[in-house]
Amino acid sequence: QVQLRESGPGLVKPSETLSLTCTVSGASINNYYWSWIRQPPGKGLEWIGFMYYSANANYNPSLKNRVTISIDTSKNQFSLRLSSVTAADTAVYYCARDSGDCSSLNCHSNDYYYGMDVWGQGTTVTVSS
Amino acid sequence: DIQMTQSPSTLSASIGDRVTITCRASQSISNWLTWYQQKPGKAPKLLIYKASNLGSGVPSRFSGSGSGTEFTLTISSLQPDDSATYYCQQYNIYRTFGQGTKVEIK
Repeated sequence: QVQLRESGPGLVKPSETLSLTCTVSGASINNYYWSWIRQPPGKGLEWIGFMYYSANANYNPSLKNRVTISIDTSKNQFSLRLSSVTAADTAVYYCARDSGDCSSLNCHSNDYYYGMDVWGQGTTVTVSS
Repeated sequence: DIQMTQSPSTLSASIGDRVTITCRASQSISNWLTWYQQKPGKAPKLLIYKASNLGSGVPSRFSGSGSGTEFTLTISSLQPDDSATYYCQQYNIYRTFGQGTKVEIK
């Protein structure tokens, strides 16, 4: 059974960098795309970006200048860094598996995309001094 | 950027009703669309991918249709467990979510 777990500080000061890690168990991080998504209090879902271990990350254009997603294959983890945070970055942050199995199909094609099928439970990050 | 617009924002229906949610894309996305269900305090759950394919373990009362710029999610007979917020998401270019539709039980 594939499980994802987000971890990181729950409180970040304005202008600082938010850093979160998603630990993947039950699947090899090399075999899938992985996304970060966030949800401000009482609002909808916002996709932040995704990454495949051997390719460059792709980011939401509205966040592109502040976001970095990286993968640590040795730890089966992927991470999010969001710089220069403000109160508007206060949200529940989710990590999710975002592709089919790249080891058995062409996961880089939309034809073999099956949605974000596994999600972490989410972690709340508050930006406040 | 591709914008996704859902309607209505909120709907209230009775148990057993047929419920339809619409999602419109700002440009054609072929059938590259998924639907998710989210309950308060929980992560979203995948319902449908490629516009009309049911996710694993999803009840058959859920169905999706559409292509191009207009899509629908239908619940054929609303059940108490279906009270939730529903989101569409395009994957033609990167990912974009709709703003959500909250389904309430009368």
